[in-house]
Amino acid sequence: AQTVTQSQPEMSVQEAETVTLSCTYDTSENNYYLFWYKQPPSRQMILVIRQEAYKQQNATENRFSVNFQKAAKSFSLKISDSQLGDTAMYFCAFMTRNAGKSTFGDGTTLTVKP
Amino acid sequence: GAVVSQHPSRVICKSGTSVKIECRSLDFQATTMFWYRQFPKQSLMLMATSNEGSKATYEQGVEKDKFLINHASLTLSTLTVTSAHPEDSSFYICSARDFGGLTDTQYFGPGTRLTVL
Repeated sequence: AQTVTQSQPEMSVQEAETVTLSCTYDTSENNYYLFWYKQPPSRQMILVIRQEAYKQQNATENRFSVNFQKAAKSFSLKISDSQLGDTAMYFCAFMTRNAGKSTFGDGTTLTVKP
Repeated sequence: GAVVSQHPSRVICKSGTSVKIECRSLDFQATTMFWYRQFPKQSLMLMATSNEGSKATYEQGVEKDKFLINHASLTLSTLTVTSAHPEDSSFYICSARDFGGLTDTQYFGPGTRLTVL
């Protein structure tokens, strides 16, 4: 079974600053994907960024980037130039390639302060 | 990204009645969809995996006779909460797996808030 741990229940950052959300996971699988999802107050889950485990290069999407350390089973999310609209709950997720089932962390509530 | 719709967004029903929630993948075909339940300020709890043309696979502790899942086409899965009780009140979210070619990602519907009186 897979587990995903987000050790920071809440975080805050000043607008325009950079913040890093941590995520660790445990698995015996070799083929898998890792995701960060954002859930704003509307509760719509929005895909932020995706990483394939076999790729060493860290994924980036505009202001969002990850630090993927496969050996350490670590997958942190860095948000640069934070914006007020980034305020949300962020979930780290692990998805097996075979079954496609996802395991989610408990989430980190991020507040961007003006 | 791909779009998944969910209907209704909110539903209020009386105890003992049944409620059906629809999940549709609008711009891709999804052989696999997932149903989650989420309590306030908590993570998503997987209830079941819905596979097109076959029976759903339920997670441990989820009553399959209470939460009926039907995945009749490649773009539609439905969750029916039968004989609903107040403890079934929750936020239900579906997702669809976009699996083909270079992509393999889950996209989520906007969720359904169920209130059972």
